[in-house]
Amino acid sequence: GENVEQHPSTLSVQEGDSAVIKCTYSDSASNYFPWYKQELGKRPQLIIDIRSNVGEKKDQRIAVTLNKTAKHFSLHITETQPEDSAVYFCAAGDNFNKFYFGSGTKLNVKP
Amino acid sequence: DTEVTQTPKHLVMGMTNKKSLKCEQHMGHRAMYWYKQKAKKPPELMFVYSYEKLSINESVPSRFSPECPNSSLLNLHLHALQPEDSALYLCASSQGQGVSYEQYFGPGTRLTVT
Repeated sequence: GENVEQHPSTLSVQEGDSAVIKCTYSDSASNYFPWYKQELGKRPQLIIDIRSNVGEKKDQRIAVTLNKTAKHFSLHITETQPEDSAVYFCAAGDNFNKFYFGSGTKLNVKP
Repeated sequence: DTEVTQTPKHLVMGMTNKKSLKCEQHMGHRAMYWYKQKAKKPPELMFVYSYEKLSINESVPSRFSPECPNSSLLNLHLHALQPEDSALYLCASSQGQGVSYEQYFGPGTRLTVT
């Protein structure tokens, strides 16, 4: 089965700095890689996703890169703000609706 | 309507009780999911229904019994649970099978087993 590893488990940055979170996956059948932000007591919210036929995608301050050969993908947040503080999860999905999540990164943006 | 709803929001049940969690979506999605999330852990996939048929069961104990009465509704029937089953139970939906699509999550049911 799929194994998704996520690093780091915690990340503390100063407001305005960039944050990078990295994930690796093991199953070549995975072709969809979403990133979720989850605030305490709330549901996971999709912030960006990328499919296996694309190498990079950007949405304002958030970008995701995918290296299919190396089986890793990364989330980049620029100009971080205190409201970016949350737990971020990467995930890998396939055409059979199997989704596996990484272990999560707690991001703390210090004002 | 781009929302997945779940009821109840909170549930406390004893180990001998029988209860059900309910999930509903009206986005025309044909795949629906149950996840279990323990504190400070990622969501863990439990079940997937695709076109109202159970397509994935991630070796979940039989004390959890899913049901998909129609394309908009998903239930999770609970019976003889253990205290370690206490968790946030999340429902999600996506467009269908064949191509991976964005999942929309419900707010979850916080379950406590006493």
